[in-house]
Amino acid sequence: DAKTTQPNSMESNEEEPVHLPCNHSTISGTDYIHWYRQLPSQGPEYVIHGLTSNVNNRMASLAIAEDRKSSTLILHRATLRDAAVYYCILRLSSNTGKLIFGQGTTLQVKP
Amino acid sequence: DAGITQSPRHKVTETGTPVTLRCHQTENHRYMYWYRQDPGHGLRLIHYSYGVKDTDKGEVSDGYSVSRSKTEDFLLTLESATSSQTSVYFCAISESGVPADTQYFGPGTRLTVL
Repeated sequence: DAKTTQPNSMESNEEEPVHLPCNHSTISGTDYIHWYRQLPSQGPEYVIHGLTSNVNNRMASLAIAEDRKSSTLILHRATLRDAAVYYCILRLSSNTGKLIFGQGTTLQVKP
Repeated sequence: DAGITQSPRHKVTETGTPVTLRCHQTENHRYMYWYRQDPGHGLRLIHYSYGVKDTDKGEVSDGYSVSRSKTEDFLLTLESATSSQTSVYFCAISESGVPADTQYFGPGTRLTVL
């Protein structure tokens, strides 16, 4: 299975931008990069996804390296509500929609 | 929020008893999934369904069976619960299985097997 590598934990101050990195050196040309997050005691929720180009939505931005071997999730202004575990996931073109979760990055936001 | 409910939300049972967890959706999505989440393992796929009566195994399917007789319901059954099946179980849905599609997760069921 395609693997992603993320730091175990990161800290941020409230109101500041946060850059969450993810390495996926084994990515193939048709694999999508997805980000989900899980708030305490809740199910995961979708954040953003992309294939080759950078993407923006109301929650975050996704910056994808030119060689696609890494990506960065950007939260433009962290709030206390953004404290969660963030998962970077490769959606493989061959695996029928399955999500393969890694350990994720635990983001702590300080007031 | 996607219309996904799970029942029960909490359950305590004894080793050897059968347990059925229910996932219900109001979105008419074709794909449904069952995951379990344990400390140190993240979320792992148990079984998934790609249509009524169409199911397949995930990475941790031993000891679990599933059924889907209607689009809106996906049942997960532990025929004889064991303590190793103590976990939080999440249901998810998606419109299709293509890599660009999004999965929406339910609130989870916390199962304790004594």
